Amino acid sequence: DIVLTQSPVLAVSLGQRATISCRASQSVSISSINLMHWYQQKPGQQPKLLIYRASNLASGIPARFSGSGSGTDFTLTIDPVQADDIAAYYCQQSRESPPTFGGGTKLELK
Amino acid sequence: EVQLVESGGGLVQPGRSLKLSCAASGFTFSNYYMAWVRQAPKKGLEWVATISTSGSRTYYPDSVKGRFTISRDNAKSSLYLQMNSLKSEDTATYYCARREEGIADYWGQGVMVTVSS
Repeated sequence: DIVLTQSPVLAVSLGQRATISCRASQSVSISSINLMHWYQQKPGQQPKLLIYRASNLASGIPARFSGSGSGTDFTLTIDPVQADDIAAYYCQQSRESPPTFGGGTKLELK
Repeated sequence: EVQLVESGGGLVQPGRSLKLSCAASGFTFSNYYMAWVRQAPKKGLEWVATISTSGSRTYYPDSVKGRFTISRDNAKSSLYLQMNSLKSEDTATYYCARREEGIADYWGQGVMVTVSS
């Protein structure tokens, strides 16, 4: 199985930039298609799709969210961070079965 | 508006069975693969089952293979998860999700399953 590794916690100040990373145990890209996706989960809520295929913003997601990366290293950026963004963020790969998620990064306020 | 509403969760003893349901609306259910994803308390996400549009193809990770069965009724726009031989480690919130090209693009609110004696 492809293992996705995320830092457990990231502390950030409101109005600053947050950079959340996800590293895969093997490449999740096929040619130029990066099969990495990002979800946001607020406490007590279901996950919500933020970014698909590494850099595509899902419908209704604010432009302060962006994604980048290829191969094994991917990044979710939130700039600027707003109070509503305090949540857990998960990466997920669809390159191979089984689909796997990272352990999640909890975004906290400094 | 896409809506996914799970039901059927609850407290069940180890070794027993439980069947979850998910009612879908707001999209053409028969056109989409569907999935179940679970989250143990205070833990991360685990993809536990996928089913093709017709139901002819299913996928499970090793952790539930042989115990869980995903199925669907396209006429009723409904998704199911039959869970047998339940273990304490199956305790989790179970989410129904619409799957689009490997992406879970819409999620239900989740249903809690507690396996305990």
